[in-house]
Amino acid sequence: DAKTTQPPSMDCAEGRAANLPCNHSTISGNEYVYWYRQIHSQGPQYIIHGLKNNETNEMASLIITEDRKSSTLILPHATLRDTAVYYCIAYINSGGSNYKLTFGKGTLLTVNP
Amino acid sequence: DTGVSQDPRHKITKRGQNVTFRCDPISEHNRLYWYRQTLGQGPEFLTYFQNEAQLEKSRLLSDRFSAERPKGSFSTLEIQRTEQGDSAMYLCASSSQGPYGYTFGSGTRLTVV
Repeated sequence: DAKTTQPPSMDCAEGRAANLPCNHSTISGNEYVYWYRQIHSQGPQYIIHGLKNNETNEMASLIITEDRKSSTLILPHATLRDTAVYYCIAYINSGGSNYKLTFGKGTLLTVNP
Repeated sequence: DTGVSQDPRHKITKRGQNVTFRCDPISEHNRLYWYRQTLGQGPEFLTYFQNEAQLEKSRLLSDRFSAERPKGSFSTLEIQRTEQGDSAMYLCASSSQGPYGYTFGSGTRLTVV
């Protein structure tokens, strides 16, 4: 799986948009970009994933650059409960042997009141 | 279905003792994963089951570790002769085939004293 690079920490004001960047310059054409988050003392929680197109769900939006070398997770109106470590993962979901997610250290997002 | 359940949530054991953790995945998920997480790090892959077959074990899984999924439903992770370095959060996750995310449990926090 491609290596991803994320800033170790970010701050955001409550009610504002949080934009979390991720670089994945060596991503291959069949690798998806997945985002998870982990609130303190809980297991990671799936947020969103995408391959080429931008994606949106009830939790967040995912913007992937045209060359697919980077992406941004957007939380449109951050709340204090969004304080967590956010993981960006490049993952081949082919149903073959590359089935495991490989986590880095992620970005600690702190939402401030 | 209440998601992925792990038991116990916390375990304190003396060095040298054996411990066993249980994971109940989402019932329709045929894939089950075990991860380990130490402080400040992302989760690290340990092992993977598809139904009852254990298809991969990480090098992190020494011969003191064994995992089973006897009927393709719940899974157990046993650590024999625990060492202080085994202190960590042990996370279980499940998924179905297809481009869907994992669902993680809340983990079992092991402290070896």
